[in-house]
Amino acid sequence: GQQLNQSPQSMFIQEGEDVSMNCTSSSIFNTWLWYKQDPGEGPVLLIALYKAGELTSNGRLTAQFGITRKDSFLNISASIPSDVGIYFCAVSGYSTLTFGKGTMLLVSP
Amino acid sequence: EAQVTQNPRYLITVTGKKLTVTCSQNMNHEYMSWYRQDPGLGLRQIYYSMNVEVTDKGDVPEGYKVSRKEKRNFPLILESPSPNQTSLYFCASSLGGHPFSNQPQHFGDGTRLSIL
Repeated sequence: GQQLNQSPQSMFIQEGEDVSMNCTSSSIFNTWLWYKQDPGEGPVLLIALYKAGELTSNGRLTAQFGITRKDSFLNISASIPSDVGIYFCAVSGYSTLTFGKGTMLLVSP
Repeated sequence: EAQVTQNPRYLITVTGKKLTVTCSQNMNHEYMSWYRQDPGLGLRQIYYSMNVEVTDKGDVPEGYKVSRKEKRNFPLILESPSPNQTSLYFCASSLGGHPFSNQPQHFGDGTRLSIL
């Protein structure tokens, strides 16, 4: 299957800080997705990107679809304790979804 | 409430003893899928189904079977489980057509399997 390189693997930050994580691929994809997984639960879709260069916001979250269609980043502004979790990028093929290995985010109050 | 329900949530069993993890969704979704999540590897797709009686292999199908006899259910079957199938499993569903076009995948809460 496809390989996605997601970084960083983990982050430990103070409440109020901004966070940035990214995902790259050696192949071109037409849909990039960002999911969050809270402890003990399944992933939940945060943002979906369908157009190269697209910048989309969802509250304090902002994600961009790279112009080359081989990368995407997710920013979280003014982090709060409930932002703790694992964040996954994912790319969509015709009928399958491939996930990155995840970025674990820990936020200290 | 729209949801994907998996059972059991936790299971400890022994090598070779057949088991089935059930998945049911109440949203009339056409697309359903199974993933396994392992530390450092993220989620990897095992099998998926575009509709009733239509199933296909994902990235890691070896050792698993699925069936889709009715729209709401998509059970995952381990005919002869082995320790390397110890993992956290997620079922997901989404509306039909292109599964990800403006239609998010809804995930269940997971099933943690331990094969001794």
